[in-house]
Amino acid sequence: DQQVKQNSPSLSVQEGRISILNCDYTNSMFDYFLWYKKYPAEGPTFLISISSIKDKNEDGRFTVFLNKSAKHLSLHIVPSQPGDSAVYFCAASGGNKLVFGAGTILRVKS
Amino acid sequence: DAGVIQSPRHEVTEMGQEVTLRCKPISGHNSLFWYRQTMMRGLELLIYFNNNVPIDDSGMPEDRFSAKMPNASFSTLKIQPSEPRDSAVYFCASTVGGPYEQYFGPGTRLTVT
Repeated sequence: DQQVKQNSPSLSVQEGRISILNCDYTNSMFDYFLWYKKYPAEGPTFLISISSIKDKNEDGRFTVFLNKSAKHLSLHIVPSQPGDSAVYFCAASGGNKLVFGAGTILRVKS
Repeated sequence: DAGVIQSPRHEVTEMGQEVTLRCKPISGHNSLFWYRQTMMRGLELLIYFNNNVPIDDSGMPEDRFSAKMPNASFSTLKIQPSEPRDSAVYFCASTVGGPYEQYFGPGTRLTVT
């Protein structure tokens, strides 16, 4: 039972354009959501988060949007840079642990 | 701080052998998590500790897997006996307080032949 789903295994974007990564969840008890970025041969690193009381959070080029009614969140990267090429994991928490999605591979072409 | 330290970085072993993965969390962090990453299942939580006490081990796949945290600065994940389907990357992560912004180690790539 996948409670957090990232339905796009991969995404390819031109440098300078917007990257949009999507995530859906099924558990309405989730109240905190995070995005992690992972480079090859490294562990995931925290990128940005959002509480369920908000619908948007920005940090530089990264913005996370939360639509609670649709149980959907997205990560926008503007402008995309080649160094953003990585695997992006969506995660959700409703208690004392995180549930991760399967990840989306982002490739930013220069 | 050196971050979360995991050893070994790579482990190749034969089916039936015992495997022990090690983790040193960030000093001062009181929660520690073990994850497994596979192509099929993504990143899945195996077990987590709070103040050295196992809180939730519902993700441990079967009795062949065991984890310990004898003190605040060290944890092990043991697989005995190992099987080819255990091949994956195993991550350790730590945090202070809630489970949110976890800090991950570099992972151990395990290959069981």
